[in-house]
Amino acid sequence: QVQLQESGPGLVKPSETLSLTCSVSGASVTSSSYYWSWIRQPPGKGLEWIGYIYASERTNYNPSLKSRVTISVDTSKKQFSLKLRSVTAADRAVYYCARSLSPYGGHAFDIWGQGAMVTVSS
Amino acid sequence: QSVLTQPPSVSGTPGQRVTISCSGSSSNIGISPVNWYQQFPGTAPKLVIYSDDQRPSGVPDRFSGSKSGTSASLAISGLQSEDEADYYCAAWDDSLNVWVFGGGTKVTVL
Repeated sequence: QVQLQESGPGLVKPSETLSLTCSVSGASVTSSSYYWSWIRQPPGKGLEWIGYIYASERTNYNPSLKSRVTISVDTSKKQFSLKLRSVTAADRAVYYCARSLSPYGGHAFDIWGQGAMVTVSS
Repeated sequence: QSVLTQPPSVSGTPGQRVTISCSGSSSNIGISPVNWYQQFPGTAPKLVIYSDDQRPSGVPDRFSGSKSGTSASLAISGLQSEDEADYYCAAWDDSLNVWVFGGGTKVTVL
């Protein structure tokens, strides 16, 4: 059974870097079959796709966040991570990690983590 | 402003059929499969329909999906109180090269 679990600080100061990790069990984070995404949801609002990584190093980011985002894989720890730089209050959201097959076939996010709430405040 | 357009809310009485629309464009729904997610407050989204009209294992058959042109729909037949949740449509946008979501529809069981 595949499970994803987000972890990281729940509070980040403005202008600093938000860092979250998604631990993967039951599947290989290095597999070229799966795409590992980060998706966020501000309180009371809809879902926004942040980006994905697959085959350990190939990434694609939402243009609206691309200048501030890095997604990477730690193969030894069976994790993938999100870094979002220069955060502001607008980055306050629940951050989810999720798995899909190739988005180019429109494959759905079939497995989601439980979500991690991140607040931006000094 | 979401790329995919959904009504903010729909409601129905137990046993009724409700439908949620999702309108997009030729660069997303027009060429990519549509997926639907159900979300209860404080929990992660759960896939209920994939590839326009396919149900994952364990999803009740009262949930059904359809697509025509650049619009898609999620129907819930025999509405139950446990179906009260937010529902999101999603598709890959081949022009923007991103996953796009609808703004979400809150289903209320009266």
